[in-house]
Amino acid sequence: DAGVTQSPTHLIKTRGQHVTLRCSPISGHKSVSWYQQVLGQGPQFIFQYYEKEERGRGNFPDRFSARQFPNYSSELNVNALLLGDSALYLCASSLGPHLAKNIQYFGAGTRLSVL
Amino acid sequence: KQEVTQIPAALSVPEGENLVLNCSFTDSAIYNLQWFRQDPGKGLTSLLLIQSSQREQTSGRLNASLDKSSGRSTLYIAASQPGDSATYLCAVRRETGANSKLTFGKGITLSVRP
Repeated sequence: DAGVTQSPTHLIKTRGQHVTLRCSPISGHKSVSWYQQVLGQGPQFIFQYYEKEERGRGNFPDRFSARQFPNYSSELNVNALLLGDSALYLCASSLGPHLAKNIQYFGAGTRLSVL
Repeated sequence: KQEVTQIPAALSVPEGENLVLNCSFTDSAIYNLQWFRQDPGKGLTSLLLIQSSQREQTSGRLNASLDKSSGRSTLYIAASQPGDSATYLCAVRRETGANSKLTFGKGITLSVRP
């Protein structure tokens, strides 16, 4: 069975541009969460979606947005990119909406570099 | 606000050594604690998950303990191997709320020398 898949693997953008990152959860999983991991730091929670609805949001500016599709895949969008947005973006999927009761499985991430 | 600390940031040991990685957290009202492994530039692999009611979990050469009241967890690695070289992250989930996100430490980068 395929695990959590993310695309693209690597991405290079310039300041002010927009970026879209994609995530496909494990088959049967309905919850997707997004995390940002800056080099040398632990991952920071950005969003959680379940059944196409936002269930949680971390402390990130409105430039960050996400959505979930009927097939439970998800997109993370970042507008007006800043140098500080350079990071590894991780997607995690779980079976149900309650993150405390459902183990999350992580993808390999998308490495975003903003120049 | 929950804070998770992992010290030291990096560790180098000779092959075969038994070692302990430490994790501390400021808010003891956690639902569970999870240890992850991360290889350079890669995603996270879950190693062990300990529920707040448990004291320890074991998987192969790995043993994780949890002392919720003191806000501490340790990951014990027996007979370390070069293939164990990676960054080890500790993460906790708070006790309440459906949207109980993971709060991570910065990780400990382990290097096992042949």
